[in-house]
Amino acid sequence: DIVMTQSPDSLAVSLGERATINCKSSQSVLYSSNNKNYLAWYQQKQGQPPKLLIYWASTRESGVPDRFSGSGSGTDFTLTINSLQAEDVAVYYCHQYYNTPLTFGGGTKVEIK
Amino acid sequence: QVQLQQSGPGLVKPSQTLSLTCAISGDSVSSNRATWNWIRQSPSRGLEWLGRTYYRSKWYNDYAVSVKSRITINPDTSKNQFSLQLNSVTPDDTAVYYCARGDSGTLYWGQGTLVTVSS
Repeated sequence: DIVMTQSPDSLAVSLGERATINCKSSQSVLYSSNNKNYLAWYQQKQGQPPKLLIYWASTRESGVPDRFSGSGSGTDFTLTINSLQAEDVAVYYCHQYYNTPLTFGGGTKVEIK
Repeated sequence: QVQLQQSGPGLVKPSQTLSLTCAISGDSVSSNRATWNWIRQSPSRGLEWLGRTYYRSKWYNDYAVSVKSRITINPDTSKNQFSLQLNSVTPDDTAVYYCARGDSGTLYWGQGTLVTVSS
């Protein structure tokens, strides 16, 4: 199984500042035949299901604000939230879909400082 | 826009079978590009993928090793839905259960069902 490790477990950021979340996979999720990273990011607010933010490591889902961006390749990935807004308070998960079993990181809780 | 509506009991007794259904609107369970997944979430296990069913000229299933001996995921083409059955449940199976549509790796989730295993 591919183990997804996120850091930090939680972070508090002032409104308007940047939040950075890291995700490391135990093996590469880059598929060489199409040069795509099989890595997604989800946002989960209290009492709601996870919502897709980013897929293929850096492609923003339609309707997701452009302050959310994803980067990285192979085994190391980053989700960046520029200019944090109050509505961004949530838990964020990385997810690999390179192979089954599909696996998720442990989550990073983002709060307002 | 695809919508997933989950249904099923929120309380199951130990050793019994957990059964949930996910009704699909806006897509077909027989789609040749989508996968139909069950995922659960608990404080102890986090987000745990349980398995999926999908159609690619014939039906396929993939299951997580952790539940493989106890799980069945079935499509129901007549009702355009899919189901989860988890046998011999214990309190450790208490979780929020989600159905989710997969497409090119992306997942779109149902609203979730809290299932408590307790006598």
